[in-house]
Amino acid sequence: DGGITQSPKYLFRKEGQNVTLSCEQNLNHDAMYWYRQDPGQGLRLIYYSQIVNDFQKGDIAEGYSVSREKKESFPLTVTSAQKNPTAFYLCASSRGRGNEQFFGPGTRLTVL
Amino acid sequence: AQKITQTQPGMFVQEKEAVTLDCTYDTSDPSYGLFWYKQPSSGEMIFLIYQGSYDQQNATEGRYSLNFQKARKSANLVISASQLGDSAMYFCAMRDTGGYQKVTFGTGTKLQVIP
Repeated sequence: DGGITQSPKYLFRKEGQNVTLSCEQNLNHDAMYWYRQDPGQGLRLIYYSQIVNDFQKGDIAEGYSVSREKKESFPLTVTSAQKNPTAFYLCASSRGRGNEQFFGPGTRLTVL
Repeated sequence: AQKITQTQPGMFVQEKEAVTLDCTYDTSDPSYGLFWYKQPSSGEMIFLIYQGSYDQQNATEGRYSLNFQKARKSANLVISASQLGDSAMYFCAMRDTGGYQKVTFGTGTKLQVIP
């Protein structure tokens, strides 16, 4: 079955540590996205990538970094520069611009 | 800048009844797309329905329909014959026509279906 996987489901980290969230898709989609969701809020775009080896900042990119070395993979690193990293992180993909996005199950990050 | 507004933080509906979730939007682009997503307590976002700004007819997908009123800039989701499994957060979203066609999400409405 095609889909998007995110790992781990729950992640705990100590303050000051970098952590990388995994996102893999086997839908053969060109575009991939990372969103952050805080309690009672909608989704806010962190980074997006329309094609391999290219990515762009979203609305809240500060303190985050990404890479897109393979079409199937779009990992997100939450760096120590991110002031308030505790949140629910969702990865999505789409066939291209304008098409609906398909989401992974999410990773809940808690900074201790 | 585009904006999505969902004014109902929470809604209750009796099982088997219909319910309307409100969504208004603001954009200066003549071409845009509107989406509705469902987010169960598990957290995954599930695509429900899409409406293009130039579509002549309101979109429908099974028990979901989108009441698109372009002049009022509203795109309300109608769920017919509510089921207990419909209890979830519902998000309205809009895609603009910019360089990468960014999608902006509303703050969501929590729907609870009562037996």
